[in-house]
Amino acid sequence: NAGVTQTPKFRVLKTGQSMTLLCAQDMNHEYMYWYRQDPGMGLRLIHYSVGEGTTAKGEVPDGYNVSRLKKQNFLLGLESAAPSQTSVYFCASRGGGLAGGSSYNEQFFGPGTRLTVL
Amino acid sequence: QQQVKQSPQSLIVQKGGISIINCAYENTAFDYFPWYQQFPGKGPALLIAIRPDVSEKKEGRFTISFNKSAKQFSLHIMDSQPGDSATYFCAASTGSTLGRLYFGRGTQLTVWP
Repeated sequence: NAGVTQTPKFRVLKTGQSMTLLCAQDMNHEYMYWYRQDPGMGLRLIHYSVGEGTTAKGEVPDGYNVSRLKKQNFLLGLESAAPSQTSVYFCASRGGGLAGGSSYNEQFFGPGTRLTVL
Repeated sequence: QQQVKQSPQSLIVQKGGISIINCAYENTAFDYFPWYQQFPGKGPALLIAIRPDVSEKKEGRFTISFNKSAKQFSLHIMDSQPGDSATYFCAASTGSTLGRLYFGRGTQLTVWP
């Protein structure tokens, strides 16, 4: 049981280049999230998905696109990278469903992708 | 507009001391308040969480105190250890099944031996 994995771990891009970050989870979770973490800013939600084939915008969606073609995968795309997108990106997943104990709210995070845009 | 405000930004505590991190919120619809712990180079991991029907929850050396009327909650780390040195995030979410978490900006805790 690997939990939440992210690919790649590090990446350096030039301004204007594109790339896709892959998130995979093996917990059969319905909900998946993409966050970015910047110093002093906490974790900010970029996009999220409440199930296969669905996506929705979070707090800071501009410049990013996402797709959830398979339940276990959530892809984050940067079409034309900008220096402002230099950040650490975290993917998370959550079981969801009907309320049970507080654990049903728990989000499980991946190890992160450190992206630098020059 | 920041949904959850966290303080302090950084905290230095001596080994054996008590670490206290505070958070405040405005949205009264929030009904789940977790704390996440993050070590350098790792993703955040759930540490402890509370719902507003209780005023306190304790797990080992970690305690959440919740004040519903003041819309504040705090994390207390008793007998702080160097291994507790990490960044701590408070968060909040509503009863919606979307489970979207609103995070505070984080507190970097350093525990000196």
